[in-house]
Amino acid sequence: DQQVKQNSPSLSVQEGRISILNCDYTNSMFDYFLWYKKYPAEGPTFLISISSIKDKNEDGRFTVFLNKSAKHLSLHIVPSQPGDSAVYFCAAIRQGGSEKLVFGKGTKLTVNP
Amino acid sequence: NAGVMQNPRHLVRRRGQEARLRCSPMKGHSHVYWYRQLPEEGLKFMVYLQKENIIDESGMPKERFSAEFPKEGPSILRIQQVVRGDSAAYFCASSPPWQGYEQYFGPGTRLTVT
Repeated sequence: DQQVKQNSPSLSVQEGRISILNCDYTNSMFDYFLWYKKYPAEGPTFLISISSIKDKNEDGRFTVFLNKSAKHLSLHIVPSQPGDSAVYFCAAIRQGGSEKLVFGKGTKLTVNP
Repeated sequence: NAGVMQNPRHLVRRRGQEARLRCSPMKGHSHVYWYRQLPEEGLKFMVYLQKENIIDESGMPKERFSAEFPKEGPSILRIQQVVRGDSAAYFCASSPPWQGYEQYFGPGTRLTVT
């Protein structure tokens, strides 16, 4: 029973272009969503988040969009840089519950110079 | 301002031995979470602790696994009588009180069971 799904295991883009990573969820009780970036042999690092009361949050090159009716969110990185190459995890949480993050399986992004 | 610290970073155990994983949360954080990542998988929640209390252990296997977060010292995840299927990366995260959505992760402990 996978409540958070990242259907693309990998994505390859050219430097300078836009990267779009997608995430779907099934549990309508989730009210806060996060993206983490992970390099090999390191822990996940927080990238950007969005509350369910918003539909967009922007931080520099990173923008997260949330479509609640479709239970879908996406992370846009523009322009993409080689240093962005990593595994990106989508996570969801129900605030005020047990505070456990539910993660997708991740999308490996490769940005080619 | 040290981040979340985990040790050891790598741990090798033979089947049947015990594994002890330690986690020191960020300064000012009183909530600790343990997650496990199996190969090619996302992180899976195991347990959520506050000082001297287990708040949610719904993700912990019923046998052989235990966790604690004592009043003093690091949080400990203990796996008794390890089996090959326990080989994974174990990540600890911490958060400030009442802000459980702001979880900061440590570098992880990679457990290999031979």
